[in-house]
Amino acid sequence: AQSVTQPDIHITVSEGASLELRCNYSYGATPYLFWYVQSPGQGLQLLLKYFSGDTLVQGIKGFEAEFKRSQSSFNLRKPSVHWSDAAEYFCAVVDYTGGGNKLTFGTGTQLKVEL
Amino acid sequence: DVKVTQSSRYLVKRTGEKVFLECVQDMDHENMFWYRQDPGLGLRLIYFSYDVKMKEKGDIPEGYSVSREKKERFSLILESASTNQTSMYLCASSYGGYDNEQFFGPGTRLTVL
Repeated sequence: AQSVTQPDIHITVSEGASLELRCNYSYGATPYLFWYVQSPGQGLQLLLKYFSGDTLVQGIKGFEAEFKRSQSSFNLRKPSVHWSDAAEYFCAVVDYTGGGNKLTFGTGTQLKVEL
Repeated sequence: DVKVTQSSRYLVKRTGEKVFLECVQDMDHENMFWYRQDPGLGLRLIYFSYDVKMKEKGDIPEGYSVSREKKERFSLILESASTNQTSMYLCASSYGGYDNEQFFGPGTRLTVL
């Protein structure tokens, strides 16, 4: 079965600094991968997704992610973090077992931004 | 914009009560999902449905059931609520196909006393 690991539970960065959130997946073939963000008290919002093609994917709010098959990783990056980026971030991979497009989520990374 | 709405943002129930959580989507999505979110555990799939009257168990279906009588509505039922079902419940929907994103509702925070 597919699985996703987000090794960092909490990350703190200063506003204006660069950000990288790690995501490792376990799946034999080419995975379908997503990054979602959850602001306090809100549901999840899609940041970006990868299915095939260019391994560097651009998303909303200035985020990007790079798919690296050799490292089984799909890390999320942002060159300059804004205070409004403080939220919880989830990496997810499509689970092909059964019907529908189920997702398997990582445990999330809580981002704190220091002003 | 796609809208997924959940009937309550906050709910407090007593142990043993039957609890209904309702989810409605307005984009004619085939697939609907119920997740449970707990700190340190991320989102875990309870049940999902890829068509009206169809349902499939997710990773943690025990203690829950679902109903999908209409395409736009997916209900999560706690037959006899227990304190360990205190959690945030998130509903999501999507078109069919593996490459389609799931759209999430705002969540229902359920407390079982």
